[in-house]
Amino acid sequence: DAGVIQSPRHEVTEMGQEVTLRCKPISGHNSLFWYRQTMMRGLELLIYFNNNVPIDDSGMPEDRFSAKMPNASFSTLKIQPSEPRDSAVYFCASGDRVRETQYFGPGTRLLVL
Amino acid sequence: ELKVEQNPLFLSMQEGKNYTIYCNYSTTSDRLYWYRQDPGKSLESLFVLLSNGAVKQEGRLMASLDTKARLSTLHITAAVHDLSATYFCAVGEGSNYKLTFGKGTLLTMNP
Repeated sequence: DAGVIQSPRHEVTEMGQEVTLRCKPISGHNSLFWYRQTMMRGLELLIYFNNNVPIDDSGMPEDRFSAKMPNASFSTLKIQPSEPRDSAVYFCASGDRVRETQYFGPGTRLLVL
Repeated sequence: ELKVEQNPLFLSMQEGKNYTIYCNYSTTSDRLYWYRQDPGKSLESLFVLLSNGAVKQEGRLMASLDTKARLSTLHITAAVHDLSATYFCAVGEGSNYKLTFGKGTLLTMNP
C-alpha cells in the first residue's frame, strides 16, 4: 500500500492567498484526520471525518479554514485567506477502526509570508 | 477536556543506559498510542495499548499501560543512536476516533 498521500509537500505563499492541501487516505480506511504541528502548540487535531462525514471540527481555528471529503479517497483542507500564523506542518492521517492506530501522511510544510 | 502530559520533554541519552518516558492523562481511557517522529519526518506508529496491564515490546523499546493510574511508560533499554527522535503518546476517549497527543519527548544521544 502507498500509505497516506499528501500534496503538495511544500507550499510557500503570500499572506492573503488561498491555500489548498490535499490528502488521499489509505484505501479501505473509513476515518480521516487533519492535524497541524507547530513548535509552539505541538500537534493539534483540526478536524476528522468518518465515512466521509465531518464528525468533529472543533479544532478548526476559525472560519478561514475549511475541509471537505467528497469521497472516500480524497480530502482537502483549504485556508482562505492565509496568514503568516498559519505557517506549520499539516498532516493528514487515516484509520480503520476506532481502537486501531492512525497512519500519518508525510505532511505539507506551509510557509505563509 | 482530556489532558495528556509527557515527561521528561527532553532527554539526553548515553549509549547503553536505560531510560523511561512517562505519559499521564487526565480522564479514563483504555486506548493509548505511542508514535515516533524523526526530524522533518512524519509520525510513525510504534505501539497500540488497549487494556489495563498491556505490555508491548519491539527491540529496545517496551511500552506499558496502567489505566487505573492513567499512566503509560515507554522504556528504553541500552540506548543506541538510532533511537534519537521525538516520541509522542496519544490517548483516545471511548468510542470517539479523536486522539489527544502529548507534547512529545525529544531524545538525543550524548556524543
